[in-house]
Amino acid sequence: QKEVEQNSGPLSVPEGAIASLNCTYSDRGSQSFFWYRQYSGKSPELIMSIYSNGDKEDGRFTAQLNKASQYVSLLIRDSQPSDSATYLCAVNTKGGFQKLVFGTGTRLLVSP
Amino acid sequence: GAVVSQHPSRVICKSGTSVKIECRSLDFQATTMFWYRQFPKQSLMLMATSNEGSKATYEQGVEKDKFLINHASLTLSTLTVTSAHPEDSSFYICSAPSGTSADNEQFFGPGTRLTVL
Repeated sequence: QKEVEQNSGPLSVPEGAIASLNCTYSDRGSQSFFWYRQYSGKSPELIMSIYSNGDKEDGRFTAQLNKASQYVSLLIRDSQPSDSATYLCAVNTKGGFQKLVFGTGTRLLVSP
Repeated sequence: GAVVSQHPSRVICKSGTSVKIECRSLDFQATTMFWYRQFPKQSLMLMATSNEGSKATYEQGVEKDKFLINHASLTLSTLTVTSAHPEDSSFYICSAPSGTSADNEQFFGPGTRLTVL
């Protein structure tokens, strides 16, 4: 079982819709969770960090964490074509001190 | 967020030569930096952890004698690809956490695209 799993997609949504991106992780002791956005040919850009169970909102983005289910998600409201990118879930595993484990990423396509 | 720079952004070299890539934290100090490699349509692969003032820690399967890492100051880490070959052609990206806590967010440099002819 991979440490961090994501559906590779592509996830296609129309402009203005809500995009829901999901991630599961295997290490129950994981402490910190991050979502990065990566445009083709560019390096990852941090979107959200979440550390506690529940929701965390920042503008059009909402991160959700459920440690009991070992599940973290990212919701993008009012999706725009400029949101089309690969979204990477990253987890800081227990004992890994600041070393992140990345999922393979979900490609999101937002059509006008 | 914190700013991390990389230089050069793109390099083309002949097989057998060595290439040095610099990673700098511009507005914060980083005792630890991370070096990743990404092949087309694949995810990030952690190569090594760069530690200021001590030896780097390499991930399994990464040749430490081929990928030399030096973290000489709190704002600079360098990765040298020695005797580069075409299979080393890839996108090399560094990252640095904004503090020393395990919760600190990590910020990525813009990456260096290496092409070995």
